[in-house]
Amino acid sequence: DAKTTQPPSMDCAEGRAANLPCNHSTISGNEYVYWYRQIHSQGPQYIIHGLKNNETNEMASLIITEDRKSSTLILPHATLRDTAVYYCIVWAWEYGNKLVFGAGTILRVKS
Amino acid sequence: GAVVSQHPSRVICKSGTSVKIECRSLDFQATTMFWYRQFPKQSLMLMATSNEGSKATYEQGVEKDKFLINHASLTLSTLTVTSAHPEDSSFYICSAGGTANTEAFFGQGTRLTVV
Repeated sequence: DAKTTQPPSMDCAEGRAANLPCNHSTISGNEYVYWYRQIHSQGPQYIIHGLKNNETNEMASLIITEDRKSSTLILPHATLRDTAVYYCIVWAWEYGNKLVFGAGTILRVKS
Repeated sequence: GAVVSQHPSRVICKSGTSVKIECRSLDFQATTMFWYRQFPKQSLMLMATSNEGSKATYEQGVEKDKFLINHASLTLSTLTVTSAHPEDSSFYICSAGGTANTEAFFGQGTRLTVV
């Protein structure tokens, strides 16, 4: 079963920051927080991941709370092409661990 | 970045026939690969975990005799849908990862239609 909870949908205005929350209150000490997105009829695309420190790359920023029970993905300047389903996953890359998806958040970027 | 290639991207087959889907890691070795299926407007559902050189681990409710998984090398895993029926029509996706603290990479998916 998925270990994360996300809102089912969010809207964001084009050019504004999109902040997508994720709750993972049962995260284990060795589990990372991963974010992926899926555009219709394509495989999931990796966005970013982190363990406990905030992370930033060319696509997004990831803010993880100090207790690691929740996180926020930030798309700083959302475009129409960012409209997708965003999945937050907690996972440790160890033999036997399953990579399980929750329901995700449908982000609609509107002009 | 690392690439996972899935083939074919689309396939149409007749009821009762078998279909094989390939998942290749192109520039890294993957000891573990995951197979998912996805129905319209739903999330990815994990079907099985494929481990190189050993039997796959299937999720509850997934028929191992119907969905045959072979992971014969560190760069290739295959999913064979045997005796396909229209209800097997779905989007099948594979994933492979490398080592700790790296992300898992996904194939582009295979759209299977059984007629």
